[in-house]
Amino acid sequence: DTEVTQTPKHLVMGMTNKKSLKCEQHMGHRAMYWYKQKAKKPPELMFVYSYEKLSINESVPSRFSPECPNSSLLNLHLHALQPEDSALYLCASSPTPIPGNSPLHFGNGTRLTVT
Amino acid sequence: AQSVAQPEDQVNVAEGNPLTVKCTYSVSGNPYLFWYVQYPNRGLQFLLKYITGDNLVKGSYGFEAEFNKSQTSFHLKKPSALVSDSALYFCAVRDGTGNQFYFGTGTSLTVIP
Repeated sequence: DTEVTQTPKHLVMGMTNKKSLKCEQHMGHRAMYWYKQKAKKPPELMFVYSYEKLSINESVPSRFSPECPNSSLLNLHLHALQPEDSALYLCASSPTPIPGNSPLHFGNGTRLTVT
Repeated sequence: AQSVAQPEDQVNVAEGNPLTVKCTYSVSGNPYLFWYVQYPNRGLQFLLKYITGDNLVKGSYGFEAEFNKSQTSFHLKKPSALVSDSALYFCAVRDGTGNQFYFGTGTSLTVIP
C-alpha cells in the first residue's frame, strides 16, 4: 500500500459544483505535487509545493486551486470544471525538492468524472 | 530541454521469457533516471533509479535496468516475466537542479500465459 493517501477515491461532480481533493503523507517529505493523468497517458504536472509554498504552476486554469495547509497535507479545490477535466488526479511527494535524486512517491489517485 | 522517449507503446512477451522495455533520454548535465510501474486504477509505483555508479541497477520485483551513457538509454529488464508484471511502465528523468520529473509516454506490457 502507498504511503501517500488520497481521498476520495472516486468523485463525480457537475460543472457548477465545488469540491476538494485531499492528499496526506506522513513521511516528512517537504515537496508535494499534483498531477493529472488521462487514460494510458503519462502524468502531467499541475502544481509543485516546496516547503509549503507554491513553487511551480504549470499554467493550470484557475478553476483548479491548490492549497498546502501544512507539510503533511495538500488539497486541490475544484470549481466550475469542464467534462474534459475528467481524469485521474495523482498526488505525489518527495523528501526534498532539490537535489533531484529522490523518487516521487505517488498516491493511488482520485478518479474524477465531470458531468 | 529534458525529455524521455519510450519507442514502444506495447510490448508482448511470453511468461517465463526475458523482457525489455526501452527508454532513451535527453538531458543537459547528469541524468537522474527512474522507472515506475502503474497497475489499473492505481498510482505509479517506484521500481528503481540510476543516479551514479554501477550501470546495472537492481530494483523491486526482480526488475533491473541498464544505464548506457553513450546510447543515452536506460532500458528496463527482467530475466523471467510473470503474468502479474502486465502493467503500464513509465520511464522518467529528473535534472539535478530542478524539481520536475519528465515522463515518457509509457509502454504497456502484456505477459502472455
